Amino acid sequence: QLQLQESGPGLVKPSETLSLTCTVSGGSIRGSTYYWGWLRQPPGKGLEWIGSISEGGSTFYSPSLESRLTMSVDTSKNHFSLKVRSVTAADTAMYYCARRNLDSHAFDVWGQGTKVIVSS
Amino acid sequence: QSVVTQPPSASGTPGQRVTISCSGSSSNIGRNAVNWYQQVPGTAPKLLIYTNTQRPSGVPDRFSGSKSGTSASLAISGLQSEDEAIYHCEVWDDNLKAVFGGGTKLSVL
Repeated sequence: QLQLQESGPGLVKPSETLSLTCTVSGGSIRGSTYYWGWLRQPPGKGLEWIGSISEGGSTFYSPSLESRLTMSVDTSKNHFSLKVRSVTAADTAMYYCARRNLDSHAFDVWGQGTKVIVSS
Repeated sequence: QSVVTQPPSASGTPGQRVTISCSGSSSNIGRNAVNWYQQVPGTAPKLLIYTNTQRPSGVPDRFSGSKSGTSASLAISGLQSEDEAIYHCEVWDDNLKAVFGGGTKLSVL
């Protein structure tokens, strides 16, 4: 059974870079049928898609965040990563990684989420 | 403010049928498929409906989805207490890529 697990610092200072990794277990990150995505949910608010990446490194980013984002994938370690530069308090959120299934065009497997607070 | 809108709340009593709407435009719902996710507070979202009407394996047939024009709906029949959750719609927007509605909190009274 495929599982995704987010990891990274829970506290980031303003203006610094937020870095998260999503490790995939119970299956391979390889596969042309899937993209791998990051999403977030600020406290008390709705979900926001951040971006998605393929096994080959092709990326789709949210236009509102694109200038601050870098996503990467490491197939040898079966994980993918997110970096968000120049963070502010508005980046405080629960961050989720998820698999985007290109057959169903949906996020069909989700990690449990990791809470990130931006504060000095 | 999302380009796709949902009512912030909905409610029903056990056994009742409730519907949750998701309203968009010609650049998103009008031309692309809609997905629905269920999020029990404190947990990660779970895929409930994909491609407008399809249920993943394991999702009860009490849950159904539909789409017409630039709007979509999620219907829950035979409402149960465990259905109390936040329901999110999601669709691909030609300009913004993947977008979510603000979520609808369903209360079972």
